[in-house]
Formats: sequence, C-alpha cells, structure tokens
Amino acid sequence: GAGVSQSPSNKVTEKGKDVELRCDPISGHTALYWYRQRLGQGLEFLIYFQGNSAPDKSGLPSDRFSAERTGESVSTLTIQRTQQEDSAVYLCASSAGQVASTIYFGEGSWLTVV
Amino acid sequence: AQKVTQAQTEISVVEKEDVTLDCVYETRDTTYYLFWYKQPPSGELVFLIRRNSFDEQNEISGRYSWNFQKSTSSFNFTITASQVVDSAVYFCALSEDGNNRKLIWGLGTSLAVNP
Repeated sequence: GAGVSQSPSNKVTEKGKDVELRCDPISGHTALYWYRQRLGQGLEFLIYFQGNSAPDKSGLPSDRFSAERTGESVSTLTIQRTQQEDSAVYLCASSAGQVASTIYFGEGSWLTVV
Repeated sequence: AQKVTQAQTEISVVEKEDVTLDCVYETRDTTYYLFWYKQPPSGELVFLIRRNSFDEQNEISGRYSWNFQKSTSSFNFTITASQVVDSAVYFCALSEDGNNRKLIWGLGTSLAVNP
C-alpha cells in the first residue's frame, strides 16, 4: 500500500482481556518496528523484524507481549491479560531495511484498558 | 551513553513568528544519523529529515531549516513564519551507526502556533 496501515485505530478493552493489533507495512519494506507511546511520552521501542532474521524482542516489557510477522508482510502485536498500564498508542513503522533508511510510521492504534 | 535531549517541553508562538526547536544528543559513535519527525494531533509520525554525522551542511526545505553543529552536539530545527498547521509535537531521534532497530528518541517538543 501507499503507507503503513494499522488496525484497529482505536480499541477499548477490559482489563484482563487479550488484544491483537495489526500492522500492514509499506510494500517491499523488509524492516518492521513496533513502538509504544504513552500519553505525553516519547517513543518506546518494543520489537523489530528484519526479513527472515530472528526478531529483536529486547524492548518487549513483559511476557504478556508478543509479536509475529510472516515473511515481509503483515505483523500482529498481541497483548495478553491487558493491564491499565498497557494503555498507550502502539505505533508500527517500516523501512527498506538498509543502513539508516528512513522509517515510515502508521497512524497508530490507540489502546485503552479500562 | 546515548541520549537525545529536547529541553523545550512546550512552546507557544503567534502565527508568522519564527521558532527554533532544540535538540542535543550524546553518542560515542563517529557515525550516526539524526532525524526529526512531526506528530500532528492525528497521531501519525511524519518524517521530516535525516542527516548523517559526516554532513554538517545546514539544510533548508521551504519554511523549515536545520542547523547541525557537531561541536555542540546539536541538531536544531527552525520554522520560519510559523503557521497554525505547524502545531504538533516534534521529535528528534538518533540512530547510531545506521542501526535503526533502536532509534533513540527525545521526549518531544509540543509546538502550539496560535492565530
């Protein structure tokens, strides 16, 4: 597609429920990133995928968080047993994967845990 | 330690004023890349510029200009003749050695341009 697409754009869920957030990167982009942005805060790195390499999961805050990506296409970020502190905007981004290639962001998925 | 500091949390100006957003970075690498992104109220992050550490030329793009000074580890962003549409949060970020896996982000500067 023309840009990075994320869904849902807004999600309100009850504490303890699982949520799935989807990201469709720019076509041809081998690198995909997930970030979290809490209200009024900067971006917090979560996970990085590059082609078929093992993902860099070093930013995932707990084992309730996981992400998958099939090949160089769609990625899903899953949060299990959501907590109120998970409320944030989850931003997905993609890039061509070369050194310092520009990262393009989606509009984010706003998650509210009540 | 690697760090990006945007000391200005919020700036408010009147339309047509010039405004400079400060960004100071820390890195031990000699090769690194600096970025500015704009985040309007709609939430998406819009890429503005990428600059590598070997290119200290200032850059101008329309009303936007960037001043990169390695001597002071700064990469400041100036908007000339600001407009209401410039209202957004602006983030400065650092990528060491071209490794974008963990861009180091400043906390952002919220710019309000009032009519």
